[in-house]
Formats: sequence, C-alpha cells, structure tokens
Amino acid sequence: DQQVKQNSPSLSVQEGRISILNCDYTNSMFDYFLWYKKYPAEGPTFLISISSIKDKNEDGRFTVFLNKSAKHLSLHIVPSQPGDSAVYFCAASDDKVIFGPGTSLSVIP
Amino acid sequence: DAGVIQSPRHEVTEMGQEVTLRCKPISGHDYLFWYRQTMMRGLELLIYFNNNVPIDDSGMPEDRFSAKMPNASFSTLKIQPSEPRDSAVYFCASSLGSNTEAFFGQGTRLTVV
Repeated sequence: DQQVKQNSPSLSVQEGRISILNCDYTNSMFDYFLWYKKYPAEGPTFLISISSIKDKNEDGRFTVFLNKSAKHLSLHIVPSQPGDSAVYFCAASDDKVIFGPGTSLSVIP
Repeated sequence: DAGVIQSPRHEVTEMGQEVTLRCKPISGHDYLFWYRQTMMRGLELLIYFNNNVPIDDSGMPEDRFSAKMPNASFSTLKIQPSEPRDSAVYFCASSLGSNTEAFFGQGTRLTVV
C-alpha cells in the first residue's frame, strides 16, 4: 500500500499560469516533506521542503503548503515556465524518505 | 565534490547473469540509499545505510538482491541471478541525515533480456 500518493500522473499548464501539484499521505508519523524534480536521464534533484510544524514554505516561484489534518500537501509554481517541465516527486519521511509515484508537468509556451 | 557517482550508466545483461551496480556517495554524507524507479511503482526505497551499516533493507524485493557498503566511499547493489522484471533505473543517493535532502546520482538503467 502506497504511503505517499500523487493521484495525477500528468498535468499541463500554460506558460505564466500557476501549476499546482498535489500529494496525499497516509502515515501520520511523517514529520518532514520534500519535493524533488526530475528531468529525463537525470537523477531527482531537491526542490523544496517543509517541516510538519509549518503550514507553508516559500522559495522564489515555488511554495509548498501542508495541511496536516487532511494529510495533504501541494506544490505551487507561479509563474510556470517551460523549463519547469519535468516529473515532480513528493516525498515524506519519519526515519526514512518515501517517495510518491510522481507527476509529469508540461508547461506549454 | 562531483556529486554522487554511479556506474555503469547503462547495463544490458542476459537473464540469469549476475549484475553489480556501483555507487560513490558524496564525501561526508553518513547516509546512502538505493532506490529503484519503475513505471508501475515510481521510486521505491530498496535499502539504506548509516555509517556503512545497513539500517533498513525491507524494500529489497527478493533474496536475489544484496547490497554492501564496505567503506564510506563505496557501495554496491548486486542482483544474482537477474530476471527481466528487474529491468528498471536504479538510483543511489546520499545525505547528511536519514530524512534530509538527498543528493541523487544519475542512475543506472538496467535491462535484463
């Protein structure tokens, strides 16, 4: 049973608009959440993280929101750029990091 | 630092053969992780080490899989014998903590025919 779920395998967004990627988790012991970005033929690279004691963390165009009661987090990218086209992995950890299956984002020029 | 280095980048082997994947973590990182990426299951954690000691190998799919970390700068993931369903991209990653930002290698794409 997947502990970290990303129910949208893919997402297309127009350049300049907002991209919202969603993630749900089942384990209430998770206390740290991360987003990674992956381009083809490369390894995932860290993007942004949030601790369970916060509900929002912002870094430039990227903002992560955490709703602990709903066991839900989301990544907002605004404005979206064509270079943001990649697979985005949500990850959660207690003593080890568990990844979701990923969402492929396409930003259309 | 050159980052996490994995070799080979690509491996094609015949069913039944032994396969060894290699990883050099970032110097100073105490944790090393092996992940497998497939279309069906995404990124699965296979095993992780802390200070060269295996901590959790519950993700290792079968006894055909084994991993070692003989020193702080080298780890191997071995599949013996290999099967076509082992075909996937295998990533090694290292980090300062077990649940902090991990740095990934470029992966080894394994094809078992």
